Amino acid sequence: EVQLVESGGGLVQPGESLRLSCAASGFTFSKYWMNWVRQAPGKGLEWVAIIRQGGSEKYYVDSVDGRFTISRDDAKNSLFLQMDSLRAEDTAVYYCAGGSGWLMTDWGRGTLVTVSS
Amino acid sequence: EIVLTQSPGTLSLSPGERATLSCRASQTVGRNYLAWYQQKPGQAPRLLIHAASNRATGIPGRFSGSASGTDFTLAISSLEPDDFAVYYCQQYATSPLTFGGGTTVEI
Repeated sequence: EVQLVESGGGLVQPGESLRLSCAASGFTFSKYWMNWVRQAPGKGLEWVAIIRQGGSEKYYVDSVDGRFTISRDDAKNSLFLQMDSLRAEDTAVYYCAGGSGWLMTDWGRGTLVTVSS
Repeated sequence: EIVLTQSPGTLSLSPGERATLSCRASQTVGRNYLAWYQQKPGQAPRLLIHAASNRATGIPGRFSGSASGTDFTLAISSLEPDDFAVYYCQQYATSPLTFGGGTTVEI
């Protein structure tokens, strides 16, 4: 059974940093493209970033480009999102999701990030 | 950026009725790489349809997807109580990947 489990969320102040992790199991992680997708409270889904198998390609939504960094450790079946210079508008549940190509077939349950003073 | 516009925002129906959800893309979606997801409160999205018309593993046959140019449709042939949720379309052909704003199917 595919499992994606996010961790690392919490309450931070504007301008601070946070690092999210996603632990994968039940599938060959190294063969998947992996994504972070977020959902602000009461709002819709917003794709944040994607990373290729092995980490050689990465793409970001404009609103986080230069502030967030997606990375992965295929040996440890783990995905990460380093979030710097956080803003109030980054407050959301962050999901990791992945699949064959850019299609997101499998999703974690999410971790809540709250940016507030 | 491909903008996806979903309509209607809310669909009020009864169990047993047919639901038709629309998703219009601002430009061509390459290879019709358009997916539909279902999301219930407090849960992660669940993949229903990929490549516009292909049901994901384990998805019941009452869910179907179609495409005509830049217009995409998700149909639920006969609503069951478990189907009342929010539905999102998403294109995965071009970066940035984008989602529509969602359609709520309510009783």
